[in-house]
Amino acid sequence: GEDVEQSLFLSVREGDSSVINCTYTDSSSTYLYWYKQEPGAGLQLLTYIFSNMDMKQDQRLTVLLNKKDKHLSLRIADTQTGDSAIYFCAESIYGNNRLAFGKGNQVVVIP
Amino acid sequence: DTEVTQTPKHLVMGMTNKKSLKCEQHMGHRAMYWYKQKAKKPPELMFVYSYEKLSINESVPSRFSPECPNSSLLNLHLHALQPEDSALYLCASSQTDRDTEAFFGQGTRLTVV
Repeated sequence: GEDVEQSLFLSVREGDSSVINCTYTDSSSTYLYWYKQEPGAGLQLLTYIFSNMDMKQDQRLTVLLNKKDKHLSLRIADTQTGDSAIYFCAESIYGNNRLAFGKGNQVVVIP
Repeated sequence: DTEVTQTPKHLVMGMTNKKSLKCEQHMGHRAMYWYKQKAKKPPELMFVYSYEKLSINESVPSRFSPECPNSSLLNLHLHALQPEDSALYLCASSQTDRDTEAFFGQGTRLTVV
């Protein structure tokens, strides 16, 4: 089955890099996602990676995937106050668009 | 237009009330979803509609009744809810139910008193 684990809280100074980690258990996962949720708001898809990729970069965001360890990370470069939010990783299996979310990681950016 | 619009943004209802949550998208997406998110928890899937037909019901109690009147609209009818049903209800859509990218609405914050 799908089981996604995330750590809970990260505090980072503005301008520094932040790294959020996630582990998943379902080796048949095809797509892995990072979503951002600001207080009182819905989910915003930040990026996703196909399971046959090791890395994906999109502007300030870098996603690393270690399939052997079933470990996914999101690095945010030059973290800004607007990056303060909860970040969820999620996985889906091709042909099944159920998203299984991790517990979420709250990122607080200190000016 | 890449928006999924949910109304109302906030809803307070009594346990004997009947109310409906609405979701609308004009992206031509043929899959639409309802998720429930309790405070400080991740979203949990409730229902999936594919081509206006219910394809997944994640064992949701019958006091929640989804409806997809057309390809742009998704409703969630609420009746005889309990206080523990208070949560953020999120609607999402994707091109098809096998598509990689789901777009989420801002949610309806529901409080049952």
